[in-house]
Amino acid sequence: GAVVSQHPSWVICKSGTSVKIECRSLDFQATTMFWYRQFPKQSLMLMATSNEGSKATYEQGVEKDKFLINHASLTLSTLTVTSAHPEDSSFYICSASNAGGSANEQFFGPGTRLTVL
Amino acid sequence: GNSVTQMEGPVTLSEEAFLTINCTYTATGYPSLFWYVQYPGEGLQLLLKATKADDKGSNKGFEATYRKETTSFHLEKGSVQVSDSAVYFCALSDNQGAQKLVFGQGTRLTINP
Repeated sequence: GAVVSQHPSWVICKSGTSVKIECRSLDFQATTMFWYRQFPKQSLMLMATSNEGSKATYEQGVEKDKFLINHASLTLSTLTVTSAHPEDSSFYICSASNAGGSANEQFFGPGTRLTVL
Repeated sequence: GNSVTQMEGPVTLSEEAFLTINCTYTATGYPSLFWYVQYPGEGLQLLLKATKADDKGSNKGFEATYRKETTSFHLEKGSVQVSDSAVYFCALSDNQGAQKLVFGQGTRLTINP
């Protein structure tokens, strides 16, 4: 149980285009989902926290107009990178908290590698 | 703010060797502490956790003890296997609000047969 999927697993796009990444909790309801960014050989940096049906809370330094997050249901959150540029190339990881489980346990997706040309 | 510092890798050991990966933290209040493992091509998985001082988390032969006096949560295993090769992340949660996690930089472990 507690499986989180991400789609796509990798994407290559041209500079200036937008890319949408999906995060799904497959066998549980996730009241809270988190989006992280991981640079090569570095740690995961939290970008934003989203609760189902409400606006996401962004970490300091993260542009909310560039990284659009939607959490419309208890099993799906999306991250849209708008007008992507090469510096947005990174590994994006989502996680989800189980509404009925341990309050501080997060279940992670496998990540999406974004390359912007 | 809260932070986690991990032993830098990569770490390479022979099978059946003893493993220690150091982790220290800075936090206000009483955080929960975690070790996550990321196997090649997979997402992060919770390996073990401890929620209060002197608690010991254990799983799959790995152990870590929450030491408040030294603000540490070192990961240990007595005899590693090739299948333990992965990246290990130490993390903390401040147990407030959205239960956000703060991660260390990760330590890549390679076990040779």
